[in-house]
Amino acid sequence: TQLLEQSPQFLSIQEGENLTVYCNSSSVFSSLQWYRQEPGEGPVLLVTVVTGGEVKKLKRLTFQFGDARKDSSLHITAAQPGDTGLYLCAGEGRRGNYGQNFVFGPGTRLSVLP
Amino acid sequence: NAGVTQTPKFRILKIGQSMTLQCTQDMNHNYMYWYRQDPGMGLKLIYYSVGAGITDKGEVPNGYNVSRSTTEDFPLRLELAAPSQTSVYFCASSYRGLSEAFFGQGTRLTVV
Repeated sequence: TQLLEQSPQFLSIQEGENLTVYCNSSSVFSSLQWYRQEPGEGPVLLVTVVTGGEVKKLKRLTFQFGDARKDSSLHITAAQPGDTGLYLCAGEGRRGNYGQNFVFGPGTRLSVLP
Repeated sequence: NAGVTQTPKFRILKIGQSMTLQCTQDMNHNYMYWYRQDPGMGLKLIYYSVGAGITDKGEVPNGYNVSRSTTEDFPLRLELAAPSQTSVYFCASSYRGLSEAFFGQGTRLTVV
């Protein structure tokens, strides 16, 4: 089973600051997904990265997939209180009888203070 | 515009009781999933289904059962609730395996 680690586990910053969170593994993934989960809600997909070295931008969020496809990062520029939430990365993991399923990292809990 | 709907949102069970968590989706997705989320542990897959009548165990299936009689519905059954099953449960669906998953709002279950 492929495992995903995320760091930091918690991050509390002031509005306007920049931050980077990481998703790492010793295994190679064909793709990685990033989700954001707000309190009391289910996760919502932000982006999927599929090519080693790929960079994707979503407004103030920049996602990068490592060249070796073992890690990914999420950089947020000028963080806003609306960015507060749990950021989860996910990649293909355990293979069941009907194909592979996602494995999720433990998440980075971000708090952006006004 | 409902997406994935879970009921109930909250539930308190006594040890040994049973209950069914309901999940329905209106996106005509073949794949459906049940996850549990514990603090600092991410999402763990309990069971998944690839279509009506086809289910399979995930990473943590013990103490749970599922059925999939229709494309829309994927209920999760707890037969003998235990304190270790205190968690937040999420149902999700996707068009195919490893594609974007759409999640419900979750059910917070406490077993006392």
